[in-house]
Amino acid sequence: EVQLVESGGGLIQPGGSLRLSCGASGFTVRSNYMSWVRQAPGKGLEWVSVIYSGANTYYAESVKGRFTISRDNSKNTLILQMNSLRAEDTAIYYCAAHSTGYFYFDFWGQGALVTVSS
Amino acid sequence: IVMTQSPATLSVSPGERATLSCRASQSVSSNLAWYQQKPGQAPRLLIYGASTRATGIPARFSGSGSGTEFTLTISSLQSEDFALYYCQHFNNWPLTFGGGTKVEIK
Repeated sequence: EVQLVESGGGLIQPGGSLRLSCGASGFTVRSNYMSWVRQAPGKGLEWVSVIYSGANTYYAESVKGRFTISRDNSKNTLILQMNSLRAEDTAIYYCAAHSTGYFYFDFWGQGALVTVSS
Repeated sequence: IVMTQSPATLSVSPGERATLSCRASQSVSSNLAWYQQKPGQAPRLLIYGASTRATGIPARFSGSGSGTEFTLTISSLQSEDFALYYCQHFNNWPLTFGGGTKVEIK
């Protein structure tokens, strides 16, 4: 059974940094395309970033230059480093997998809440 | 690509049919997925490739369409189907979602 578990969320001041992790079981992160998707309180879904199995990455314009997606293959973990955080980055952050190689999301974590506020 | 879902809210009685629409601002071929989301939960994949049900999804869920116009149909609504539904294209970057349709009990 595939399980994705996010951690690292919390309350952070504007301009601060936070690192989210997504640990996987029953699934090999390095062999699959993986994304981060976020959902602001009471709002819809927004794709944030993807990492290919070959380590190519793409970002939404709203986070480009501030967020970095990566993997820790030794820990089978997906990472999102978030810098220069803004109030509008407040959201639940989900890690999600594209296990078939097509870019729909077939496995999701339970989400980690990031709140950017002073 | 902007994804537009309608209606924003759909009021349906249990056992009735629900038809949800999703429109893309340009063609996405059949690169379209549908998700269901319940309060406090992550989204769940229902349909990919516009019409293929994901593993474990009941046959009452069906998807159709291609290009710019897509439909999700729930043939006979069960109590567990009252939720939010999102469409998402995966034709190119960036991936984008529709704003969602809430299916509520009439």
